[in-house]
Amino acid sequence: DAGVIQSPRHEVTEMGQEVTLRCKPISGHDYLFWYRQTMMRGLELLIYFNNNVPIDDSGMPEDRFSAKMPNASFSTLKIQPSEPRDSAVYFCASSLYPGPRRDGTGELFFGEGSRLTVL
Amino acid sequence: RKEVEQDPGPFNVPEGATVAFNCTYSNSASQSFFWYRQDCRKEPKLLMSVYSSGNEDGRFTAQLNRASQYISLLIRDSKLSDSATYLCVVGNNFNKFYFGSGTKLNVKP
Repeated sequence: DAGVIQSPRHEVTEMGQEVTLRCKPISGHDYLFWYRQTMMRGLELLIYFNNNVPIDDSGMPEDRFSAKMPNASFSTLKIQPSEPRDSAVYFCASSLYPGPRRDGTGELFFGEGSRLTVL
Repeated sequence: RKEVEQDPGPFNVPEGATVAFNCTYSNSASQSFFWYRQDCRKEPKLLMSVYSSGNEDGRFTAQLNRASQYISLLIRDSKLSDSATYLCVVGNNFNKFYFGSGTKLNVKP
């Protein structure tokens, strides 16, 4: 089975440009999470969706960031305009049901990440 | 105050050693607990869930102390392949998962 698929894997852009990151979750997973990882702040939850509906976006840093999930198999994270401090690795993760379950369904499955550099 | 705090390390240990990591969490209402492993420039992957009674998976043992709000991971008979960053993860009942900054482990031959 395919895992969580993210694109692009690497993006280098200039300050002020629009950046769009894409994610395809594992089929059948009802939860989708967007995380950002930096050396200084570690992994931070930006937003998560349940059944395509945004449930909590309190981690989105500011209005420059937006996320959508138009259907169960696709989500985007957009940054407009981008700034150098947005440079990070952005991970998408999906889960059937997040939580500790002995049958393993509680696991968060991460994509390989999108490494963003804003010059 | 951070939701989850970990000693960043690095922990440098020889092969065969036993090593223990701790992490503390701030929200006493937290519901779920995990250890994830992240290799350099890779995505995090679940190592094990942590249950109230403690649990073991081969050479790995996880413990939860709700009263003191800390979680531990014990690795016995360390292998070179155990070298990675270990992330402590705590979830609340709203499906929000907070990751610690990670503890780096280097196992030396």
